[in-house]
Amino acid sequence: KAGVTQTPRYLIKTRGQQVTLSCSPISGHRSVSWYQQTPGQGLQFLFEYFSETQRNKGNFPGRFSGRQFSNSRSEMNVSTLELGDSALYLCASKATAGSSYEQYFGPGTRLTVT
Amino acid sequence: DQQVKQNSPSLSVQEGRISILNCDYTNSMFDYFLWYKKYPAEGPTFLISISSIKDKNEDGRFTVFLNKSAKHLSLHIVPSQPGDSAVYFCAATSNTGNQFYFGTGTSLTVIP
Repeated sequence: KAGVTQTPRYLIKTRGQQVTLSCSPISGHRSVSWYQQTPGQGLQFLFEYFSETQRNKGNFPGRFSGRQFSNSRSEMNVSTLELGDSALYLCASKATAGSSYEQYFGPGTRLTVT
Repeated sequence: DQQVKQNSPSLSVQEGRISILNCDYTNSMFDYFLWYKKYPAEGPTFLISISSIKDKNEDGRFTVFLNKSAKHLSLHIVPSQPGDSAVYFCAATSNTGNQFYFGTGTSLTVIP
């Protein structure tokens, strides 16, 4: 079974621009969560989508948004980029039956804002 | 507000010895706890978990202990191997499993 894939792997943007990151979950997984990882802050929860609906949202400004498509693929968008948005953005998918607590992470997208 | 805390940013252990990684949490609603391991340039991978109804879970060289009264969990790795060198994150979630809270990670170095 293919793992979680994220594209692109690396991205360089300038302040004020916007960016869209993509995540394809494991086949059959309907829950997709997004995290921001920065040094010293660990993984900060952004939001979780299930069946195209945002089910949970972390404490991030409205510049961070996401969506999920009918095939469970998800995108995350950050508008008006700031230097502090430089981070590793991780996507994780989860089955919603059986071992529903175990998330499977993609390799992440490294975003650098200059 | 960091609901899951890993107060040791780094830990060095000799190969063959025990590695003990600690994690504290503040939310008594957390029902399930997990440990993830992360190598550079890769996403975290699931290692071991424990439900709040247990106080210990073992999987090979890895054992997780949960002390609910102290809101503390620990991961024991015995014996430690150089391939265990990575960043370890603990995470917690409620019984819905919809939102996970992660610690800031502990970087483990196992010295050959």
